[in-house]
Amino acid sequence: GAVVSQHPSWVICKSGTSVKIECRSLDFQATTMFWYRQFPKQSLMLMATSNEGSKATYEQGVEKDKFLINHASLTLSTLTVTSAHPEDSSFYICSASYAGMGDGYTFGSGTRLTVV
Amino acid sequence: KNEVEQSPQNLTAQEGEFITINCSYSVGISALHWLQQHPGGGIVSLFMLSSGKKKHGRLIATINIQEKHSSLHITASHPRDSAVYICAAVGNQFYFGTGTSLTVIP
Repeated sequence: GAVVSQHPSWVICKSGTSVKIECRSLDFQATTMFWYRQFPKQSLMLMATSNEGSKATYEQGVEKDKFLINHASLTLSTLTVTSAHPEDSSFYICSASYAGMGDGYTFGSGTRLTVV
Repeated sequence: KNEVEQSPQNLTAQEGEFITINCSYSVGISALHWLQQHPGGGIVSLFMLSSGKKKHGRLIATINIQEKHSSLHITASHPRDSAVYICAAVGNQFYFGTGTSLTVIP
């Protein structure tokens, strides 16, 4: 149980375009979703936390206008990278928790974004 | 200084060896996770610990709250265990270690 499906697994886009990444909880209702970014050979960096139906809380240094997060339902959260630039190329991954899960989290499979 | 320190950074082992990865943290936490990240990038949560010890197959995780230290052990290691193992502490925010890259050679 507690599976999060993340799509796409990889995407290549041109500079200036926007890319949407989806994370969907398949068998539970995700009250909280977390979005991370990972640079090569580095650990995960928390970008933002979103609770269903409310605005996301962004970590310091993360541009909220560039990385739009929507958590409109208990089973779907999206991250949109707007006006992508090559420096946005990275690995993005989501994780989710739900009421009753304690401090446990389940992770999506990640999206590798390459901006050319 | 990072709130979560892992060691070693890189580890190469022969198939069958017993492996230990260490994690020390300096903040108050409510839980600690051990995560496994495969070369493709996907992450699997192996364990969530708040005290004591947990075992799942060949994997064992321990935590000592007083010493702020956790270890992940792999018994009878296998090439398919090759991955990056990440320690993640849950306090008032997430604190991630930088990961241990494990390579198990047949």
